[in-house]
Amino acid sequence: AQSVTQPDIHITVSEGASLELRCNYSYGATPYLFWYVQSPGQGLQLLLKYFSGDTLVQGIKGFEAEFKRSQSSFNLRKPSVHWSDAAEYFCAVGEPGGGNKLTFGTGTQLKVEL
Amino acid sequence: DTEVTQTPKHLVMGMTNKKSLKCEQHMGHRAMYWYKQKAKKPPELMFVYSYEKLSINESVPSRFSPECPNSSLLNLHLHALQPEDSALYLCASSQARSSETQYFGPGTRLLVL
Repeated sequence: AQSVTQPDIHITVSEGASLELRCNYSYGATPYLFWYVQSPGQGLQLLLKYFSGDTLVQGIKGFEAEFKRSQSSFNLRKPSVHWSDAAEYFCAVGEPGGGNKLTFGTGTQLKVEL
Repeated sequence: DTEVTQTPKHLVMGMTNKKSLKCEQHMGHRAMYWYKQKAKKPPELMFVYSYEKLSINESVPSRFSPECPNSSLLNLHLHALQPEDSALYLCASSQARSSETQYFGPGTRLLVL
C-alpha cells in the first residue's frame, strides 16, 4: 500500500525567508503527486500537481515542487514567504490506475513570523 | 470554474436530529467524494461516487447515508449522530478517471451535541 510522510509537523519561518516543506512517498511506481493548502476552517486548495514530464512543477501563489524519483520525494518550495502563506499544507499521492483514492500525509503547519 | 459549493457552512444538531449536508459542482466532473476531517488531521475518505454510483464506502457507520441524485449534486444524510462525529465535512469532485485532481469545497463545520 502506498504511504505519504511529511516529516515536519510544524515549521516557523520569517516573512521573506525561503521555505521548503518535505514530502516522501512509498509506492512501487511513479504516483500522481499533489500539494494542497488549507487555511483554518476552510477547504483544501490545490497548489500544484505532478503526473509526468518535467520534474519541476510550478503552482499557484509562487509555489513550486520538484519530483525526485531517486529520493521518492516531492518537496514544496517558495523563495519568499508571505504572512498570508500561514496555513496547513498537505501532500497527497494517487495511484495511477488504482481508483479514485488519494493518500494524504499528516500535514505540516506553517507559521510565518512578521 | 473550479468551484465546489457546500451548504450549510455550519450545522449544530442533537443526537436525535436528522439533517443533510449538500454539495454541488458544475465542472462536469463525474466523481464526487465525502471526507471527514478532525482538527489537525488530514481528511479521511468516507464515500466516493463515480457516475452517480457508490464506488467506495470506507466502512462508514450507517448513521451517515450518502446520496447522489445527479451528476452535479451530492448529499450526506445524517441521523442519530454521536458527539465524536463533530468535524469538518468536505466534499470534493474530480474527473472519474483514476487519481485525477480532486477539487474541494469549503466544508461544513458540524457540531453534534
